[in-house]
Amino acid sequence: EDQVTQSPEALRLQEGESSSLNCSYTVSGLRGLFWYRQDPGKGPEFLFTLYSAGEEKEKERLKATLTKKESFLHITAPKPEDSATYLCAVQGPSGSARQLTFGSGTQLTVLP
Amino acid sequence: DTEVTQTPKHLVMGMTNKKSLKCEQHMGHRAMYWYKQKAKKPPELMFVYSYEKLSINESVPSRFSPECPNSSLLNLHLHALQPEDSALYLCASSQPGLAGGDTQYFGPGTRLTVL
Repeated sequence: EDQVTQSPEALRLQEGESSSLNCSYTVSGLRGLFWYRQDPGKGPEFLFTLYSAGEEKEKERLKATLTKKESFLHITAPKPEDSATYLCAVQGPSGSARQLTFGSGTQLTVLP
Repeated sequence: DTEVTQTPKHLVMGMTNKKSLKCEQHMGHRAMYWYKQKAKKPPELMFVYSYEKLSINESVPSRFSPECPNSSLLNLHLHALQPEDSALYLCASSQPGLAGGDTQYFGPGTRLTVL
């Protein structure tokens, strides 16, 4: 059974204080690891897809990295508008099932 | 354009009502999904349609009835819901790939309240 664990559950940062969110996963054959941002009461917003260990992707202040056991979402010099819940999900070798296994998320608060 | 639209944004219904949630995408995606999300929890998969055929039903009660009229539209028909069904209902779509995971794009959700 695929499993995803995100840490920390909650993180409070001062504006400009860089940090990283962790996503540890167990899956028998990773097809993709996905990062989403979710604001309260809204649908998850797609950030990144990573397919293989060693892969990195960047978008503005965010950088996602992937190893064989975990992924990190690095936030450089965050701003208050980066405050949101960040969700990590994996897709295993389930053929046409297309199921995602989500972690519980990290709630990020960036203080001005 | 990676937009998935959902209507209505908010819905309040009684336990005896019949209502429908609608989802639309114009990205040419051939897989569409319904999720249910409770507060401070991750989305839970309910149904998956792949090439307009229901491929996954995650043991969802029969008071939820999905429908995929065509490759761009997805409906969720609601009947005789319970108060515990109150949640954010999310639609998503993806383009099935031959290899690698297919990225799911989510809509803004419908906030459902059952009285």
